[in-house]
Amino acid sequence: GQNIDQPTEMTATEGAIVQINCTYQTSGFNGLFWYQQHAGEAPTFLSYNVLDGLEEKGRFSSFLSRSKGYSYLLLKELQMKDSASYLCAVDSGGYQKVTFGIGTKLQVIP
Amino acid sequence: SQTIHQWPATLVQPVGSPLSLECTVEGTSNPNLYWYRQAAGRGLQLLFYSVGIGQISSEVPQNLSASRPQDRQFILSSKKLLLSDSGFYLCAWSSRAGHLEETQYFGPGTRLLVL
Repeated sequence: GQNIDQPTEMTATEGAIVQINCTYQTSGFNGLFWYQQHAGEAPTFLSYNVLDGLEEKGRFSSFLSRSKGYSYLLLKELQMKDSASYLCAVDSGGYQKVTFGIGTKLQVIP
Repeated sequence: SQTIHQWPATLVQPVGSPLSLECTVEGTSNPNLYWYRQAAGRGLQLLFYSVGIGQISSEVPQNLSASRPQDRQFILSSKKLLLSDSGFYLCAWSSRAGHLEETQYFGPGTRLLVL
């Protein structure tokens, strides 16, 4: 079976740094996605990690450890507009079937 | 550039009524297409995926069905809606051309409320 765990909710202060963790146990692994989803909207792509290590894209970075079944999304210099749900998703192969976690709802406060 | 459309944006339907949601993709050929449902407080659930015209795979047994009559058109249907069918329905596409960049891109979604 496929199992993806991430915290349900987090709160952080504007201008701060927040790390959202994701652990997974899946039958097969091609890569791991992070998506951002604002309330009432569709998810939008943030990152895709295939190899171990940290990938940086502006204020957002994503880390992957395949041996540990672990990833995190790091958000720096938080802005109010970063308040959203962040979805961790694993691509386990087979016509690119992707399993999504329930998402972490991040609230940025002044 | 590629765009994905879904309609309607919002739908309120009585229990037992039929359903038809449409998704179209522009700017790409031979996409993989997906239907997801996101119920309140729950993660995205893959319902159907398609790798080509007339090729549909179902992930979850239910009263829903999907069809792909054209390369860039994906339709989600039901003959009789249940209360539990309420949710946010998302269509997504991905390219089959590459490997590492097979990201799924989502449409704007249809919010369905079954009463």
